[in-house]
Amino acid sequence: NAGVMQNPRHLVRRRGQEARLRCSPMKGHSHVYWYRQLPEEGLKFMVYLQKENIIDESGMPKERFSAEFPKEGPSILRIQQVVRGDSAAYFCASSPSGGGRNEQFFGPGTRLTVL
Amino acid sequence: KQEVTQIPAALSVPEGENLVLNCSFTDSAIYNLQWFRQDPGKGLTSLLLIQSSQREQTSGRLNASLDKSSGRSTLYIAASQPGDSATYLCAVMLENDMRFGAGTRLTVKP
Repeated sequence: NAGVMQNPRHLVRRRGQEARLRCSPMKGHSHVYWYRQLPEEGLKFMVYLQKENIIDESGMPKERFSAEFPKEGPSILRIQQVVRGDSAAYFCASSPSGGGRNEQFFGPGTRLTVL
Repeated sequence: KQEVTQIPAALSVPEGENLVLNCSFTDSAIYNLQWFRQDPGKGLTSLLLIQSSQREQTSGRLNASLDKSSGRSTLYIAASQPGDSATYLCAVMLENDMRFGAGTRLTVKP
């Protein structure tokens, strides 16, 4: 049973370009969470999605950032018109169901560098 | 608002020492608490997960305790080794998300 998969592992973009980060949850998991880790900081929650629904996006920046988890395929975190401050590691986690009692399993992360 | 604090921010010890990493959180309404290890430029490795009803968990040379009422957890590492050098993150589980501390960067010198 493969773990949470993220791709690409490393992504380089120039300012103003778009970045698309993908997350495939563990088999049987229908809940996905995105976190961002800025340099020298802990992880910060961004968004929680269930298939075709955004449950909690309280940690998402109001502009340029969006997330989806379609019925088929991976979850996508999309950053439009990237700026240098978006450079960070973006981690995805998944769980079999929602609620705080379910452990989240983390992927290896995507490291975004904005030039 | 839940805030998670880890002390110290960095720690350097000689090989073989026993050590304690501290984690505190401001709101005791948590489902569980988890300790992770993160190597430079890498992902998270889960070390121990303590459910809110539990007091401690052990795995090999690691022991984690949880005192929910006082908002504290400790990670005890026995007989430290150079391979233990990494950043250790503490996180508490809320209804929809996890809140992380900034981590303790541990260096174990041979």
